[in-house]
Amino acid sequence: AQSVSQHNHHVILSEAASLELGCNYSYGGTVNLFWYVQYPGQHLQLLLKYFSGDPLVKGIKGFEAEFIKSKFSFNLRKPSVQWSDTAEYFCAVNPGYSSASKIIFGSGTRLSIRP
Amino acid sequence: DTAVSQTPKYLVTQMGNDKSIKCEQNLGHDTMYWYKQDSKKFLKIMFSYNNKELIINETVPNRFSPKSPDKAHLNLHINSLELGDSAVYFCASSQDTLAGVTGELFFGEGSRLTVL
Repeated sequence: AQSVSQHNHHVILSEAASLELGCNYSYGGTVNLFWYVQYPGQHLQLLLKYFSGDPLVKGIKGFEAEFIKSKFSFNLRKPSVQWSDTAEYFCAVNPGYSSASKIIFGSGTRLSIRP
Repeated sequence: DTAVSQTPKYLVTQMGNDKSIKCEQNLGHDTMYWYKQDSKKFLKIMFSYNNKELIINETVPNRFSPKSPDKAHLNLHINSLELGDSAVYFCASSQDTLAGVTGELFFGEGSRLTVL
């Protein structure tokens, strides 16, 4: 069955540290890839997305993600985190450009930033 | 203005009761969804409506019945609540049925349902 794995359940970093959150998916064909973020007390919102073209995608608030097809990965990165980045991060995959019913979410990674 | 709003935010109830969660979006979107987030935080789609018409109905017990009086509202009614129904339910909307292509799902803040 298709799945999305986020291996880091809880990541704790100090401010200014670099961040990389892992995301791997199991689907061999064309995919659309997303990262959503949920700040404390707020709704899930789109951070960035990949459809095609440059595998390095830039998102809001200095985040970026790199699609590595050979590794079935779409890791999220940020060179220097801030306290305000404390949130839950969800990776999501839509296999085969299909409808919303096929979007598969990972279980999320909680990011805690120490001031 | 909240784009996608859900009520109630928290709901604690006894097994066997019937309860509803309401959702409204003011984005003018055509499509609305209900997702369930289980204890392991996996988000799974339950239903989707496009212009008041049901287009996605995943494997969900028929105790769950969505209702869309208009394209800005999608309510979720649950009959005979069971312990396993405890979860966070998220409403979402998108511009059209091709949310997978645009990738832009707009979520509500979630409704945490606890069944005792």
